Parts: sequence; structure tokens; C-alpha cells
Amino acid sequence: DAGVTQSPTHLIKTRGQQVTLRCSPKSGHDTVSWYQQALGQGPQFIFQYYEEEERQRGNFPDRFSGHQFPNYSSELNVNALLLGDSALYLCASSPGLAGALGNEQFFGPGTRLTVL
Amino acid sequence: SQQGEEDPQALSIQEGENATMNCSYKTSINNLQWYRQNSGRGLVHLILIRSNEREKHSGRLRVTLDTSKKSSSLLITASRAADTASYFCATASPNTGNQFYFGTGTSLTVIP
Repeated sequence: DAGVTQSPTHLIKTRGQQVTLRCSPKSGHDTVSWYQQALGQGPQFIFQYYEEEERQRGNFPDRFSGHQFPNYSSELNVNALLLGDSALYLCASSPGLAGALGNEQFFGPGTRLTVL
Repeated sequence: SQQGEEDPQALSIQEGENATMNCSYKTSINNLQWYRQNSGRGLVHLILIRSNEREKHSGRLRVTLDTSKKSSSLLITASRAADTASYFCATASPNTGNQFYFGTGTSLTVIP
């Protein structure tokens, strides 16, 4: 049973560019959440997708957008990259809305984004 | 901030000793989860405790929850070098849309 997978593993971009990160949830999970983790910090919630709609959003600007596909996989898009967007981007999946239902979240290995 | 805060920020112990880390939070919660993260990698789910539970066990892990004090503790017994990692608590509250808020973590070093 494959767990949560993310691609790519590492990515280097320059300021102003756009980036797309991808996530496939664990088998049987229909909800995907995205987190940003800066060095030495805890993960910060970006948004959560369920039934192909954004259900919850953290305190992130509109430059951060996402999408969920019918097979439950998801993309995170970041436009107009800033140096401060350099971080580890984590995807987590759960069966249903984890926070409300008390379901476990399973995390992928993350994508390390470096903005130069 | 609704974030949980772990304490201590860093902990260094000898192999075989017990490690205790604490998490405090600010608003009522549905559940609290503990995660482990090895250097710069994805988080591994350790244990979930719901707001109506007071204690849970999983192998060498013991988690307690005191909702009156808005705090939780994670105890790792008989620590091993492989337990070296950062540990995070994450809380979900109906007051904040049930988003998960993570603390800044406790960095645990187990010396062989």
C-alpha cells in the first residue's frame, strides 16, 4: 500500500517564477492538506481540499493556489515566487476532514523548494 | 496564535532513559496529534488523542491530555538512538475551523 507521494523531491526556482508541486494521497484517502515548513519551524497550514474544493485556508496570500483532481491527487501552485517562499512543502492526506473528525493525517516526504 | 507550543525546545538524554516533552495550546480542541520528523523529512504520525480522552499508549509512547490546563505530554520510555528527531504536537479546534496548528517542536537527541 503506497503512502503519500510527492513530486518533485527538490526544486530550485528564481524570484518571480511560478512553481507547481504534486501530491498523491494514501490509498483510500480523499482529503489532501498542504503545509509550508520553514527551516527550524513547525509546519504552517496552507489549505485543505476535499471533494475537489478548497475547504479550509490558512493565512497565505492568493499567490498560493491549489487543485484537487477526481482521483484525489492534488497540486499546489505558487506564483510570483519570493525568497521567503523557500521551504519544505508537505502534503498530508486523511480519510475525510481530519481536524473535524479526529482522523489521522499521513504526510508525504515533502518537496524542498529553494528560491534564488 | 492558536499554535501549540512544545517544551522544552531541545532535549538531550542517554539511551535507555525516558524522554518527556510537553505541549500547551490556547483554545478548546477536538483532538491533538503528535508527530515525529527526522531531519528535513516528512512527518510521521505517532498518536492521536481526542478531547474526551485523558491518556493513550502505543508501544513505548504514552500521551496524556489535560483539557483543563490545555496541555499534553508525550513520554517516550527506554529511549533509543533511533528516537533522535524533532517532535511536534498539532491541535485541531472548532474555534479555528478545525485547521491543524503545529508548534515549533522539541528537538530530541538520544546519545548512544
